[in-house]
Amino acid sequence: QVQLVQSGAEVKKPGASVKVSCKASGYTFTSYGISWVRQAPGQGLEWMGWISAYNGNTNYAQKLQGRVTMTTDTSTSTAYMELRSLRSDDTAVYYCARDHLDVGDYWGQGTLVTVSS
Amino acid sequence: DIQLTQSPSFLSASVGDRVTITCRASQGISSYLAWYQQKPGKAPKLLIYAASTLQSGVPSRFSGSGSGTEFTLTISSLQPEDFATYYCQQLNSYPFTFGPGTKVDIK
Repeated sequence: QVQLVQSGAEVKKPGASVKVSCKASGYTFTSYGISWVRQAPGQGLEWMGWISAYNGNTNYAQKLQGRVTMTTDTSTSTAYMELRSLRSDDTAVYYCARDHLDVGDYWGQGTLVTVSS
Repeated sequence: DIQLTQSPSFLSASVGDRVTITCRASQGISSYLAWYQQKPGKAPKLLIYAASTLQSGVPSRFSGSGSGTEFTLTISSLQPEDFATYYCQQLNSYPFTFGPGTKVDIK
């Protein structure tokens, strides 16, 4: 069965970086992309970007350009999302999702990132 | 960026009710629209993609329709497990924006 298992909660200070992992199993990792979506407390969903697990191509939301990097490690079927220069408004639950025809058909459990001094 | 609006923002309904949620796009997006259900503390769940294609395993009481700029999600007979927040997402052009959500609550 398809599973995406994300790394645990993080607490970071403003200006720091965070790297969230998303380990995939149950399917051929390189046959699908991975999307990242975040959700601030009590708010809606925000699309952050996408990476092809086949060739590493990426597409990032413009508002995050320069602060976000998405990568994959095909040897471990793991996707990573790194966000730098963290601010308080980056506090959110971060989700990875398997990308099938551009939609997220399987999702990770979410990783809470708290940015606080 | 393409903006999505959803109406209503909140609706109160009873088990067995027929429920319709509308999603409108700021420009035409053909049929590149998906619907998700999210329950508190859980990840979103894909219900419908390509505006009207039911995701495998999703009950047939869920249906989607529309194209261009106006789309609807219909739940034909609301069940207790359907009380949740519903989001639409456009997949026509980057960034793949989401609507603000519609919370379906128990009357």
